[in-house]
Amino acid sequence: DTAVSQTPKYLVTQMGNDKSIKCEQNLGHDTMYWYKQDSKKFLKIMFSYNNKELIINETVPNRFSPKSPDKAHLNLHINSLELGDSAVYFCASSRTRDGYSPLHFGNGTRLTVT
Amino acid sequence: AQKITQTQPGMFVQEKEAVTLDCTYDTSDPSYGLFWYKQPSSGEMIFLIYQGSYDQQNATEGRYSLNFQKARKSANLVISASQLGDSAMYFCAMRGINTGTASKLTFGTGTRLQVTL
Repeated sequence: DTAVSQTPKYLVTQMGNDKSIKCEQNLGHDTMYWYKQDSKKFLKIMFSYNNKELIINETVPNRFSPKSPDKAHLNLHINSLELGDSAVYFCASSRTRDGYSPLHFGNGTRLTVT
Repeated sequence: AQKITQTQPGMFVQEKEAVTLDCTYDTSDPSYGLFWYKQPSSGEMIFLIYQGSYDQQNATEGRYSLNFQKARKSANLVISASQLGDSAMYFCAMRGINTGTASKLTFGTGTRLQVTL
């Protein structure tokens, strides 16, 4: 059973389009996250939700909008895609929001904007 | 604020040898957790090991151990008896504990480990 699953695995789209990435976790965790990994492999947090409440909102263009319909799901919608949005986007979850709780990651979505 | 430093962009080790991947950190949080993740070429992020700043003993998980030296603010990962499948990117990360605010997992820049025959 996949613990944290995100779809699609690959996403190729043109500049200006709107796209969504979906994430689901079956671990019963309270907290979910979106991370962005750039071309140099650096991982940076974008958003975090705890029991459907937004708790971390990093300095991210407002073209990026997360949505958590329930604590097992966290989706990422991106409007007006730009070339610089090309990256790998990882969804993750943790049992709690606190620092002793490891994050479990999905397999990533490779977004390519042309 | 938190900062993780991994000074080794790349490392080579021979199969069956042990290897140490360095990680130093800086934080203003009095309690914190330290983590190591493995990212193989297939791209997934795999959680390896956790060390709490309050733990007296170094964490171990199979062939992985964390050499935690709090005074030096270092949390090196030791992989014993390296295998070809250990070739991957390794990330050190940390989060504050009981910070009263949402705790972000902050990553280092990673070390690419190549295991050779």
